[in-house]
Amino acid sequence: KQEVTQIPAALSVPEGENLVLNCSFTDSAIYNLQWFRQDPGKGLTSLLLIQSSQREQTSGRLNASLDKSSGRSTLYIAASQPGDSATYLCALVSLNQGGKLIFGQGTELSVKP
Amino acid sequence: NAGVTQTPKFQVLKTGQSMTLQCAQDMNHEYMSWYRQDPGMGLRLIHYSVGAGITDQGEVPNGYNVSRSTTEDFPLRLLSAAPSQTSVYFCASRATGSSYNEQFFGPGTRLTVL
Repeated sequence: KQEVTQIPAALSVPEGENLVLNCSFTDSAIYNLQWFRQDPGKGLTSLLLIQSSQREQTSGRLNASLDKSSGRSTLYIAASQPGDSATYLCALVSLNQGGKLIFGQGTELSVKP
Repeated sequence: NAGVTQTPKFQVLKTGQSMTLQCAQDMNHEYMSWYRQDPGMGLRLIHYSVGAGITDQGEVPNGYNVSRSTTEDFPLRLLSAAPSQTSVYFCASRATGSSYNEQFFGPGTRLTVL
């Protein structure tokens, strides 16, 4: 059964720092992996989608990488800002579980001014 | 495009009451799904649909009913609300195809069952 893990559960950094959020998964047979942002009391906002054939995707200050062989994805945030404070979730579509989106527990990021 | 919309935003029910959470999307997406989000449990799939007239169960379907009469709408019915159904409910949609495209989520419905 596919399992998705995000470490750390919480992270606090000073403004301006570059940071990396980690996502690991147990089964490399995936269609794609998607990173979301969730603000308190709000819905999920899609940040980046990486197809299984891709190694990385970039959007502005965000860069997501995917290494299927090692079962890992990272979300790199450059020059962090207080507005980046939110919970970041990774989720993937597993080949072996009917196209269901499987979520990690999330990393709660706090960027201090 | 409005994307994925959900109503109501908040709801309080008494045990045993029934209600319908509404979800609509204007992106002509065939695949729609319902999740619940609970502290410590993450997001769990309740029901999903791959197109009008087709629905299937997810991880936690008990106590919930769905139907899909149109491409745009995918309502979630609570048959007899229980306190264990207190949660935040999210509807999501995506285009279908071999690549399993990007998923889009609605703003959520916060449900409290007393």
